[in-house]
Amino acid sequence: DTAVSQTPKYLVTQMGNDKSIKCEQNLGHDTMYWYKQDSKKFLKIMFSYNNKELIINETVPNRFSPKSPDKAHLNLHINSLELGDSAVYFCASSQGRVGEQFFGPGTRLTVL
Amino acid sequence: DQQVKQNSPSLSVQEGRISILNCDYTNSMFDYFLWYKKYPAEGPTFLISISSIKDKNEDGRFTVFLNKSAKHLSLHIVPSQPGDSAVYFCAATPGRENKLVFGAGTILRVKS
Repeated sequence: DTAVSQTPKYLVTQMGNDKSIKCEQNLGHDTMYWYKQDSKKFLKIMFSYNNKELIINETVPNRFSPKSPDKAHLNLHINSLELGDSAVYFCASSQGRVGEQFFGPGTRLTVL
Repeated sequence: DQQVKQNSPSLSVQEGRISILNCDYTNSMFDYFLWYKKYPAEGPTFLISISSIKDKNEDGRFTVFLNKSAKHLSLHIVPSQPGDSAVYFCAATPGRENKLVFGAGTILRVKS
């Protein structure tokens, strides 16, 4: 029974396209996050939502737009994809704004 | 500017011996520290954490030590097992904001 799930697991697309990655958690957590792991393997936070409210928004191009329809879902939409967007994107969740975060399996995005 | 540093890219240990993974941080606002383990093609899995009010936390084979004056923490795994072979990430967060700042990771190989 998957706690944090992401779809798709792999995404290959052309430059300039728009794509979405979906994330769902069944842990009953109220806070969700998106992280990006770049080619140098650093994991960096992009966004965080608490009870559907945006609470963390790092310096991310506005081509990236998170959307949280409810507490259990946090989707990431990316417009006009660029080569540099190629990375692994991880969704995570936690109960409250502090404490352990539980990660999904990641979505590997490749922009050609 | 890396606020969390894991200076050893890799570590190789014999099964049954102790593995010691090190982590240094620069931001004195960090007050909660976590260790995550990551297998290939999976998301990071939470291992153990420590608050800045403590200097040691133990959970089974895993112990984390925190030296605030040196801004250094370490993860001890004893005895090491082949299944412990993975990438280990150190992470830190400034309490109120659950924004995990990750190190670059250390690849641990436990040889049988």
